Amino acid sequence: GEEVAQTPKHLVRGEGQKAKLYCAPIKGHSYVFWYQQVLKNEFKFLISFQNENVFDETGMPKERFSAKCLPNSPCSLEIQATKLEDSAVYFCANYFGGPLSGNTIYFGEGSWLTVV
Amino acid sequence: LAKITQPISMDSYEGQEVNITCSHNNIATNDYITWYQQFPSQGPRFIIQGYKTKVTNEVASLFIPADRKSSTLSLPRVSLSDTAVYYCLVGGVENNDMRFGAGTRLTVKP
Repeated sequence: GEEVAQTPKHLVRGEGQKAKLYCAPIKGHSYVFWYQQVLKNEFKFLISFQNENVFDETGMPKERFSAKCLPNSPCSLEIQATKLEDSAVYFCANYFGGPLSGNTIYFGEGSWLTVV
Repeated sequence: LAKITQPISMDSYEGQEVNITCSHNNIATNDYITWYQQFPSQGPRFIIQGYKTKVTNEVASLFIPADRKSSTLSLPRVSLSDTAVYYCLVGGVENNDMRFGAGTRLTVKP
């Protein structure tokens, strides 16, 4: 079946470098979520989009993190000037919306960011 | 916002039924309860979702009492391959409120 495609699978960056992660949502899925999962396995919500509009950005460290979901392009999560504590797995998730979808969000396989 | 708590870990043996309970005392009227399974180096995989009472699919059952302040994921006759971390997610997509529990690490022993 269709999947949420995340790239790259692995990314290594030196402290202070930029990191950019991509998420290709399933076509027609109107909501996109970004989560950060760190070593303790807890998920931290970062940001969500409804189509190309920011829906909720309360979890974003705004001084270095930014995200976009432009029409006809993969969604992106960008970290400027990475820090060691940004090392984590970043997951993208999709929600289709509508009366037949329940309230289920489907996850990609994640992008592993290591900051050294 | 719903505070989500679930046991940190559980052990079981092959062939047993496993029940994992998630507490969500402040669940909102429009919130759903969803359970995911996660293996190392993989993304969370949807298991089951419910709003109230009981839901059953081919892999699990979800029991939700009338007050909806907790939910129990039931895995019948677990196998070694069910060893994973199980997450409870409570919220509504369109409510700006989706919260994960910290996960329950299930270890199935032979």
